[in-house]
Amino acid sequence: KAGVTQTPRYLIKTRGQQVTLSCSPISGHRSVSWYQQTPGQGLQFLFEYFSETQRNKGNFPGRFSGRQFSNSRSEMNVSTLELGDSALYLCASSLFGGRETQYFGPGTRLLVL
Amino acid sequence: QKEVEQNSGPLSVPEGAIASLNCTYSDRGSQSFFWYRQYSGKSPELIMSIYSNGDKEDGRFTAQLNKASQYVSLLIRDSQPSDSATYLCAVNQAGTALIFGKGTTLSVSS
Repeated sequence: KAGVTQTPRYLIKTRGQQVTLSCSPISGHRSVSWYQQTPGQGLQFLFEYFSETQRNKGNFPGRFSGRQFSNSRSEMNVSTLELGDSALYLCASSLFGGRETQYFGPGTRLLVL
Repeated sequence: QKEVEQNSGPLSVPEGAIASLNCTYSDRGSQSFFWYRQYSGKSPELIMSIYSNGDKEDGRFTAQLNKASQYVSLLIRDSQPSDSATYLCAVNQAGTALIFGKGTTLSVSS
């Protein structure tokens, strides 16, 4: 079975721009979670989607948003980019979420200049 | 605020030794506990999951859970240089987000 895929793998943007990242979960998985990883803060939860509905949300500003499509693929969007948004953005999928194991994609490394 | 605490390390052990990684969590309602390994520049990969008090063994890895003490640990037997990585502890309960510790860096010297 193919793993979680994320595109693009690398991105360079400038402050004020917006960016959209994409995640395709493992086939059959319906829960997709997004995380931001930085050296200082570690892995921080952004949001979780299940069956096209946001089920949980982390403590991030409204500039961070996401959505999930009927095929379980998910996108996250960051508007009005700030230097501090430079990070590794990780997507993880599981069958139904909750207590289940989450499997991570390779991540998208975003650099904001 | 739900928290997961890990010693950042680095934890240095010689090849063949036992590496012991520890994690404490603040939410008494936590039900699921995971250990992930992350190599530099890569994404986290699952090593072990544990849901009940006690030990769970998988090859060279043993996870130990003590809910009364809010403590979960990972033992790596016969440590190898390839085990050198950052180990992330993660905790959640049904319906909530997975909360990660900041990780412990393990260095195994040959």
